[in-house]
Amino acid sequence: DVKVTQSSRYLVKRTGEKVFLECVQDMDHENMFWYRQDPGLGLRLIYFSYDVKMKEKGDIPEGYSVSREKKERFSLILESASTNQTSMYLCASSVPSSAPSTDTQYFGPGTRLTVL
Amino acid sequence: AQTVTQSQPEMSVQEAETVTLSCTYDTSESDYYLFWYKQPPSRQMILVIRQEAYKQQNATENRFSVNFQKAAKSFSLKISDSQLGDAAMYFCAYRSRLRTGKLIFGQGTTLQVKP
Repeated sequence: DVKVTQSSRYLVKRTGEKVFLECVQDMDHENMFWYRQDPGLGLRLIYFSYDVKMKEKGDIPEGYSVSREKKERFSLILESASTNQTSMYLCASSVPSSAPSTDTQYFGPGTRLTVL
Repeated sequence: AQTVTQSQPEMSVQEAETVTLSCTYDTSESDYYLFWYKQPPSRQMILVIRQEAYKQQNATENRFSVNFQKAAKSFSLKISDSQLGDAAMYFCAYRSRLRTGKLIFGQGTTLQVKP
């Protein structure tokens, strides 16, 4: 089974702090994604990466950056956390393919971040 | 830009009954994929079912089936013989054939299953 793990289930930080959210997958997937989930808004893509050291902005990249130094690890960075970044953050990974049968996204359990 | 809309924030169903969750989407593309994901209270999101837009036949996975109406841009999920374990938040998602991997999600529908 594919396993996607996230470093913390719950995290509390203060405004202005630098925050690192880590995601690791064990299936050698090329694609990795960071979403935030907010009530009434669903999941929104922050950044994704299709290879080591490659990244592309999603729909809401402002205030975030990412790092992918190794294939299995994709980090989300909040340079200076703000209260409006309080949210659930979900990481996902997939094998790149033009067909959906092999393009299933596997999700981690999520990190509930609270910024005070 | 593509959008996905789930107009039912919450739904409830009696155990063993059938429930249908609605999803509409907007796109100018003709070739794309649609998905339903399930997020149980433990929060690990899993894929329930997928549909390729070029296929007219509706996808089915055991008790889960879809009603795909391409002209109406509608993609509903039917859950038959509902079980307590079906209680979760369900997300409808769209993926362009041209943009590998990127999913656009709806707002989600929370399904309650009553014993």
